[in-house]
Amino acid sequence: QVQLVESGGGLVKPGGSLRLSCAASGFTFSDYYMSWIRQAPGKGLEWVSYISSSGTTIYYADSVKGRFTISRDNAKNSLYLQMNSLRAEDTAVYYCARGVIAARGYYFDYWGQGTLVTVSS
Amino acid sequence: QSVLTQPPSVSGAPGQRVTISCTGSSSNIGAGYDVHWYQQLPGTAPKLLIFGNNNRPSGVPDQFSGSKSGTSASLAITGLQTEDEADYYCQSYDSSLRGVFGGGTKLTVL
Repeated sequence: QVQLVESGGGLVKPGGSLRLSCAASGFTFSDYYMSWIRQAPGKGLEWVSYISSSGTTIYYADSVKGRFTISRDNAKNSLYLQMNSLRAEDTAVYYCARGVIAARGYYFDYWGQGTLVTVSS
Repeated sequence: QSVLTQPPSVSGAPGQRVTISCTGSSSNIGAGYDVHWYQQLPGTAPKLLIFGNNNRPSGVPDQFSGSKSGTSASLAITGLQTEDEADYYCQSYDSSLRGVFGGGTKLTVL
């Protein structure tokens, strides 16, 4: 069965860095787009970034552009999110999600359990 | 202020039918991009409920249905049960912003 397991969250000071990981299993990882989606405490979902199956196409939300870097290692079935220059407003649960490309857009058919990132002094 | 607009809350009695709206614009839903819906039970990760406007993944009961027209979409839930209490999110693609979500709707079963 499809499994996505995030790790790497924690408490970090403003301006600091953190690297999130997502270990995938139960499917051919290299066949799928992957995304990071976050949810601030008590708030809604916010798409953060996605990466194509080969890693050649990458997009970011404006709120994280220039600070976050998404990457993947298909040999290790892993997705990453390097987060630099963290701000208090980056505090959220970060979900890794599998993307399905459809004729008119894409959606997320499997989600991990999430990892909490807290940015505070 | 999410790109897709949903009502903050809806409610209904057990057995009733409720609908949740999702309003976008000409750069997302109105541009012909599909709408998808997710259910988030308290304390859990979101789960895909409807994809491609009106398709249910395997295992999702037919009490859930979706529709889309113009710049809006709707999720209908029939035969409400207490276990349907959750947050519901719509999602689409935006030609400028890429992935976009609605702000979420909290469903309360009275």
